[in-house]
Amino acid sequence: AQKVTQAQTEISVVEKEDVTLDCVYETRDTTYYLFWYKQPPSGELVFLIRRNSFDEQNEISGRYSWNFQKSTSSFNFTITASQVVDSAVYFCALRVYNTDKLIFGTGTRLQVFP
Amino acid sequence: EAGVAQSPRYKIIEKRQSVAFWCNPISGHATLYWYQQILGQGPKLLIQFQNNGVVDDSQLPKDRFSAERLKGVDSTLKIQPAKLEDSAVYLCASSLGSSVEQFFGPGTRLTVL
Repeated sequence: AQKVTQAQTEISVVEKEDVTLDCVYETRDTTYYLFWYKQPPSGELVFLIRRNSFDEQNEISGRYSWNFQKSTSSFNFTITASQVVDSAVYFCALRVYNTDKLIFGTGTRLQVFP
Repeated sequence: EAGVAQSPRYKIIEKRQSVAFWCNPISGHATLYWYQQILGQGPKLLIQFQNNGVVDDSQLPKDRFSAERLKGVDSTLKIQPAKLEDSAVYLCASSLGSSVEQFFGPGTRLTVL
């Protein structure tokens, strides 16, 4: 069975702090995809990144970076120099190869205070 | 490019009443999904359509939930009769095809009293 665990329910930081959101996944499949989505107060899920299981290179996009480690089944997300606009709920999700079903974690609510 | 549209944004009903939600996917997107997101949880897939055919409805409570996608474009999700535990946000998503990125709408927040 597949599962995604986001142990951090809520994180509060002050603007300009760095923050890391943890994601641990479980699957027996060797081919899979991992995702991060952002859900601002408006409600819609905004796609941030997709990684496939064969690509363990870390990725950086502006203030965002992702650390994928198969050895620990983790796909952590770091925001550098956080801003108030980063306040949202962030979801990690898993999809196994040849299916479309996204399996989401329970989300981490990030609050960035000025 | 217009995103996924959903209506209504909010709905309050009493238990045992019926309710319907509407979704208009991104133009040209063949695959449409309905998710249920209960407060404090991640979204859970209810049903997936490929054009107007159902691909996966294994987690749809078929005794009270139904969905259709006539003509392979817009879709409606219906609950009849509603229960208290159906209170959730119902998200619609679409994608160009299977196994590619899904784009989500703003959701419909349902409260069942």
